[in-house]
Amino acid sequence: AQSVAQPEDQVNVAEGNPLTVKCTYSVSGNPYLFWYVQYPNRGLQFLLKYITGDNLVKGSYGFEAEFNKSQTSFHLKKPSALVSDSALYFCAVRVPTGGSYIPTFGRGTSLIVHP
Amino acid sequence: GAGVSQSPSNKVTEKGKDVELRCDPISGHTALYWYRQSLGQGLEFLIYFQGNSAPDKSGLPSDRFSAERTGGSVSTLTIQRTQQEDSAVYLCASSLPSGRANTGELFFGEGSRLTVL
Repeated sequence: AQSVAQPEDQVNVAEGNPLTVKCTYSVSGNPYLFWYVQYPNRGLQFLLKYITGDNLVKGSYGFEAEFNKSQTSFHLKKPSALVSDSALYFCAVRVPTGGSYIPTFGRGTSLIVHP
Repeated sequence: GAGVSQSPSNKVTEKGKDVELRCDPISGHTALYWYRQSLGQGLEFLIYFQGNSAPDKSGLPSDRFSAERTGGSVSTLTIQRTQQEDSAVYLCASSLPSGRANTGELFFGEGSRLTVL
């Protein structure tokens, strides 16, 4: 079975400060990892993904995430937060071999960036 | 259209009524997913279609829920005899064919918000 944990329901950060949204996963095999963002009353939008290679991946809107196999983590980061980054963020995992092709999502983390 | 289209965007119904939710995926996307988003519960997988293969229905919460996909394109999620606990946002997503070689992301519609009174 595959699972994703987002340990924080909410993250608060001041504009201009760095932000981190945490994600850990549990799978059998090598994972494909994804981050999505959901703005109010909208569907989820893809931000970035880790498939293989460099552990640091860069995505849309200046976000990046670091894959850490030993800690089974894939934390989302941004060096300088904007008020417009305030949204709901979801981490997801999929296992391409010997597992389900259906992505499993975390419960989501609400990011609030204060002016 | 360019993206995944869902209708209706909002549906208010009375307990016990049946509802149908529609999803029109991105052209060429043979994989289609339905998820349910409830407050504080994250995304709950419901059902997955891949081409002409039998759908994966393992996430459907009860036999009141069913879905079909006609012609490999449009999908309809049907909830019979709705209950108040069915109130949620139902999200549809599509992607390129799933498989070992596919590393792609899901493209989501904006969802159908269902309220059961």
